[in-house]
Amino acid sequence: NAGVTQTPKFQVLKTGQSMTLQCAQDMNHNSMYWYRQDPGMGLRLIYYSASEGTTDKGEVPNGYNVSRLNKREFSLRLESAAPSQTSVYFCASRQGDTQYFGPGTRLTVL
Amino acid sequence: SQQGEEDPQALSIQEGENATMNCSYKTSINNLQWYRQNSGRGLVHLILIRSNEREKHSGRLRVTLDTSKKSSSLLITASRAADTASYFCATDGTTDSWGKLQFGAGTQVVVTP
Repeated sequence: NAGVTQTPKFQVLKTGQSMTLQCAQDMNHNSMYWYRQDPGMGLRLIYYSASEGTTDKGEVPNGYNVSRLNKREFSLRLESAAPSQTSVYFCASRQGDTQYFGPGTRLTVL
Repeated sequence: SQQGEEDPQALSIQEGENATMNCSYKTSINNLQWYRQNSGRGLVHLILIRSNEREKHSGRLRVTLDTSKKSSSLLITASRAADTASYFCATDGTTDSWGKLQFGAGTQVVVTP
């Protein structure tokens, strides 16, 4: 089992560009999450999907959209990147009360 | 807003010593979890304590929970260099917020040989 995988690992964008961060899990979990981590702060929830076909906003959803493509995949899209979106992005899936995290995508917006 | 606040922000100890870090939170919880993050990596779940529990052990980890003070502590005994990492507490709320973890800012622990 690969667990939770994320692509890409690193990305540099210019302000205004768009991109999609990909996340997949092979643990057959229903719930999936997107977080961002900024220096000196804990993770903050951007969006989550309680089950296939549903998505909901988290604490910091502005500037992002998500798609729960199927049970395995949950993507995060930045339509028009801004320097404030420079961060490390983590995807997670949940089994019971425990969340399993991917290795992260380090995104820099210039 | 951050639900959990951790203390200290950083901790430097020698191998064999114990490391203690604390977490305070603001609202009612279903459970509180501790995660470890090695540099440049994702978070790894360490231990979970439910709101009706006061203490839990897992290997060299001991976690306590005081719901009256809205606080928790994580103790790592006999630390090793491999314990060098950031440690985060995360609270899991009740009803509508269940599953939407709220993380503290973390405690950075450095264990020197």
